[in-house]
Amino acid sequence: DQQVKQNSPSLSVQEGRISILNCDYTNSMFDYFLWYKKYPAEGPTFLISISSIKDKNEDGRFTVFLNKSAKHLSLHIVPSQPGDSAVYFCAASATDSGYALNFGKGTSLLVTP
Amino acid sequence: SQTIHQWPATLVQPVGSPLSLECTVEGTSNPNLYWYRQAAGRGLQLLFYSVGIGQISSEVPQNLSASRPQDRQFILSSKKLLLSDSGFYLCAWSGGQTGGFYNSPLHFGNGTRLTVT
Repeated sequence: DQQVKQNSPSLSVQEGRISILNCDYTNSMFDYFLWYKKYPAEGPTFLISISSIKDKNEDGRFTVFLNKSAKHLSLHIVPSQPGDSAVYFCAASATDSGYALNFGKGTSLLVTP
Repeated sequence: SQTIHQWPATLVQPVGSPLSLECTVEGTSNPNLYWYRQAAGRGLQLLFYSVGIGQISSEVPQNLSASRPQDRQFILSSKKLLLSDSGFYLCAWSGGQTGGFYNSPLHFGNGTRLTVT
């Protein structure tokens, strides 16, 4: 059962514009959320995270927003650059669930010049 | 700095053959180690994790096993591969000494693309 869902398998954005990647989750016990970025033939790399006690975390061009009541989080990339083209995975975990991270299926972002 | 090595990058094996994938981490001690798999059209699924030498926890029942013979070495094995074992296997580590898992994101290797024929 997929507890973390990324319903958009792909997204295309023009360079300089905002990219918004969305993620929904079903488990209300999740309290820590992460975004990973993956280039072809490489493993995912950690991008940004947010704890459930916050509703926003910002790191340079990347901002993650958390809406706990809607069980929804989003990653904003502003401004988007061609080098941001990659697959983005949303992940979530719960404090009492051990070491498992629940990943979404990923969204492939293409930033065009 | 910490690095993680995983090999081979690609592997094609016949059904019923054995499997051994190796992962090593450098630049850190006592890491938590993980094996994940991404099957076609699915998200990353945790297979095994280890918090210390000889300590292995399995998240899902399957045809695979894991071992941690040394602090920074993690091995994924199978005695007889099935077609359903095909997928992209990722080794990862996280800091295990301060803050626990939740303050220490996973760091992944480059993965092994396994095709069972």
